[in-house]
Amino acid sequence: DVKVTQSSRYLVKRTGEKVFLECVQDMDHENMFWYRQDPGLGLRLIYFSYDVKMKEKGDIPEGYSVSREKKERFSLILESASTNQTSMYLCASSLEGRISGNTIYFGEGSWLTVV
Amino acid sequence: AQKITQTQPGMFVQEKEAVTLDCTYDTSDPSYGLFWYKQPSSGEMIFLIYQGSYDQQNATEGRYSLNFQKARKSANLVISASQLGDSAMYFCALQPRGKLIFGQGTTLQVKP
Repeated sequence: DVKVTQSSRYLVKRTGEKVFLECVQDMDHENMFWYRQDPGLGLRLIYFSYDVKMKEKGDIPEGYSVSREKKERFSLILESASTNQTSMYLCASSLEGRISGNTIYFGEGSWLTVV
Repeated sequence: AQKITQTQPGMFVQEKEAVTLDCTYDTSDPSYGLFWYKQPSSGEMIFLIYQGSYDQQNATEGRYSLNFQKARKSANLVISASQLGDSAMYFCALQPRGKLIFGQGTTLQVKP
């Protein structure tokens, strides 16, 4: 059974802490994505990666960085967490190139609260 | 720049009736894909339907159909014979060249 696994389902962190959100896929996918989801704003793309060590900024990269040292793992890093980064974070992965919708896989989401 | 817009924050429909969820998009890429996803309260993202920009016919998947009007840049989702289990958030998404971007979402509530 194919899977995208996000390391933590629920996290509570303090303002200023460094936060790591991990995402692992077991499908040998080239593309991986990080989104945040907020009410009324939908899913907004933070960063995506189309290969190991390759990354591109999405629509809202400020305050975030990413790391992709291995093909199966894509990490989202909040260098200094702030309360406005309280959100639900979704990871996704897909094959390279033109694909149909049913080959994009999502993780279960990570609910982050920054206090 | 690529953009995707869902203008209906919330919709109601009576059980067994049909409902249309609106989606418009903008991209300069001649080749792209359009998707609809369902997100129930559990948070999982469920793929519903896909339309390629060069597909000649509108996509259909069971009770879901996509009304694709390329010249108007719209990709509306039609759900026929609504069921109570259709109550959820629905997202339209655009994929030009690998990047996948989502609209703001529409919350659908099906009334018994």
